[in-house]
Amino acid sequence: GAVVSQHPSWVICKSGTSVKIECRSLDFQATTMFWYRQFPKQSLMLMATSNEGSKATYEQGVEKDKFLINHASLTLSTLTVTSAHPEDSSFYICSASPGTTPPEQYFGPGTRLTVT
Amino acid sequence: GENVEQHPSTLSVQEGDSAVIKCTYSDSASNYFPWYKQELGKRPQLIIDIRSNVGEKKDQRIAVTLNKTAKHFSLHITETQPEDSAVYFCASYNYGQNFVFGPGTRLSVLP
Repeated sequence: GAVVSQHPSWVICKSGTSVKIECRSLDFQATTMFWYRQFPKQSLMLMATSNEGSKATYEQGVEKDKFLINHASLTLSTLTVTSAHPEDSSFYICSASPGTTPPEQYFGPGTRLTVT
Repeated sequence: GENVEQHPSTLSVQEGDSAVIKCTYSDSASNYFPWYKQELGKRPQLIIDIRSNVGEKKDQRIAVTLNKTAKHFSLHITETQPEDSAVYFCASYNYGQNFVFGPGTRLSVLP
């Protein structure tokens, strides 16, 4: 149980284009989803938290107009990197929580984004 | 905001020995402390967690201890095995601050 998928697993895009990453909870309803960024050999940095049907809450320093997050249903959240630049290249990981307090996190496999 | 430090950054132990990783946090309001294991190229997985009203929790070879006064918590792995080799992340959480992760510890268990 508690399986989270992410799609795509890797993507290459050109500078200036937008990329959408999907995060799905496959066997539970995720009231909260988290989006992280992980640089090589570094820790996970929380970018934003989204609750189903609400606007996402972004961490300090994360541009909400650049990283658009939508949590339209209890099983799907999307992260769109708009006008991507090479410095946006990174590993993006989502996690989903079934609404426990404190939130238990189940992580997706991650998406490696390369912007050329 | 919350700051989580983690030591050591790398740790090598012989198979069968114990491994201890320590994290310190700064926000006394933090009330939940999970530990995650991330194997190379894989997703992080929760291995054990502890809440602020508990001092110690054990699950087979893994244990976590929490000292709220000193604001630190530690992961203890006994009888280490090669499959324990991975990067381990601690994290702290409170409702107002959300999750803050430590920088990680790369554990190598030598056969």
